[in-house]
Amino acid sequence: QKEVEQDPGPLSVPEGAIVSLNCTYSNSAFQYFMWYRQYSRKGPELLMYTYSSGNKEDGRFTAQVDKSSKYISLFIRDSQPSDSATYLCAMGSNFNKFYFGSGTKLNVKP
Amino acid sequence: GAVVSQHPSRVICKSGTSVKIECRSLDFQATTMFWYRQFPKQSLMLMATSNEGSKATYEQGVEKDKFLINHASLTLSTLTVTSAHPEDSSFYICSATGRGGGGETQYFGPGTRLLVL
Repeated sequence: QKEVEQDPGPLSVPEGAIVSLNCTYSNSAFQYFMWYRQYSRKGPELLMYTYSSGNKEDGRFTAQVDKSSKYISLFIRDSQPSDSATYLCAMGSNFNKFYFGSGTKLNVKP
Repeated sequence: GAVVSQHPSRVICKSGTSVKIECRSLDFQATTMFWYRQFPKQSLMLMATSNEGSKATYEQGVEKDKFLINHASLTLSTLTVTSAHPEDSSFYICSATGRGGGGETQYFGPGTRLLVL
């Protein structure tokens, strides 16, 4: 069983839609949860960082962590074509070892 | 957020030559730097972790004599691919975490695309 599971997509939505991206994990020791956005041929860009459980909001982005279910989500409101990218979840019990999801490719159609 | 740069952004070399990739933290001190490799349409694969002034810790299956890592200062780490072969062609990405704004999580560089002919 992989440490982190993420649906690879692709996920295609119309502009303005609410996007929901998810990851599940198996290690209950994970405390740090991140979402990265990666455009083609570029390095991952940190979008959201959450420690332990709860919600975090930043503009159109909301990250949720449910440690009891070992499930994390990223919501994108009012999605834009510029949001089209691959979204990677990452997590770990400390900063020295991150476990990455396989990435979900998102396409927002104008 | 913290900024990490990489140089070069892309490199093409002949088989058998060595290639050096630099990773710099621009606005924070990177106590720990990480080197990843990413194949097309796949996620990141951690190659090694390096702490400033210490030898790098390599992941299982990564040849330390082939992928030389040096982390001589708090703002610079280098990855040298020695005697590169076509199968080493990949996208290499570094990340860093540390003090002064970069301590919350790993911040990634823009990546280096290596093509070995």
